[in-house]
Amino acid sequence: EAAVTQSPRNKVAVTGGKVTLSCNQTNNHNNMYWYRQDTGHGLRLIHYSYGAGSTEKGDIPDGYKASRPSQENFSLILELATPSQTSVYFCASGDWGQAPLFGEGTRLSVL
Amino acid sequence: AQSVTQPDARVTVSEGASLQLRCKYSYFGTPYLFWYVQYPRQGLQLLLKYYPGDPVVQGVNGFEAEFSKSNSSFHLRKASVHWSDWAVYFCAVSNMGYKLTFGTGTSLLVDP
Repeated sequence: EAAVTQSPRNKVAVTGGKVTLSCNQTNNHNNMYWYRQDTGHGLRLIHYSYGAGSTEKGDIPDGYKASRPSQENFSLILELATPSQTSVYFCASGDWGQAPLFGEGTRLSVL
Repeated sequence: AQSVTQPDARVTVSEGASLQLRCKYSYFGTPYLFWYVQYPRQGLQLLLKYYPGDPVVQGVNGFEAEFSKSNSSFHLRKASVHWSDWAVYFCAVSNMGYKLTFGTGTSLLVDP
């Protein structure tokens, strides 16, 4: 069954600390995405990837890095976390001509 | 740049009543359009998708949507709402399913 799995599901971090959010997909999709969801903004694209080894900036990349070491895995990295990065983060995977499949989300609080 | 406007942040309907959630898009060319639903503390689930072709598309659980190029709209409809439809609904536009741009969402509340 097609799946996108995010870990952790919940995370509390301190300001200035490093945070890594992980995403794994078993769908053999080429494209993967990281979005954040905030009230009043819907979902906004942070980074995306065409395939292993590639990362591209989305609409709001500042303060975030991404890594795609393999077809299955796509990480979002906050090198110096700030309270403004408190949000719910969603990973998705998909291919051309398909509706992306979303994970369950990671709830991040930066204190 | 592509964009989506969902003008209604919140809609309340009575159970059994009909529903329309509005979505307006901006896109140069022929868009791919989607409606997703989000239940509390869950991810987004696909309700239906429009790929160029028949303007009326059917989705899961009795939902349908109609694409209008002249109005730049993709409104979601349901003939009879059930209490389990209480959720947040997102409209999105993209180029062939790649890099979706979402609206701000519409919260649907169902009166019993």
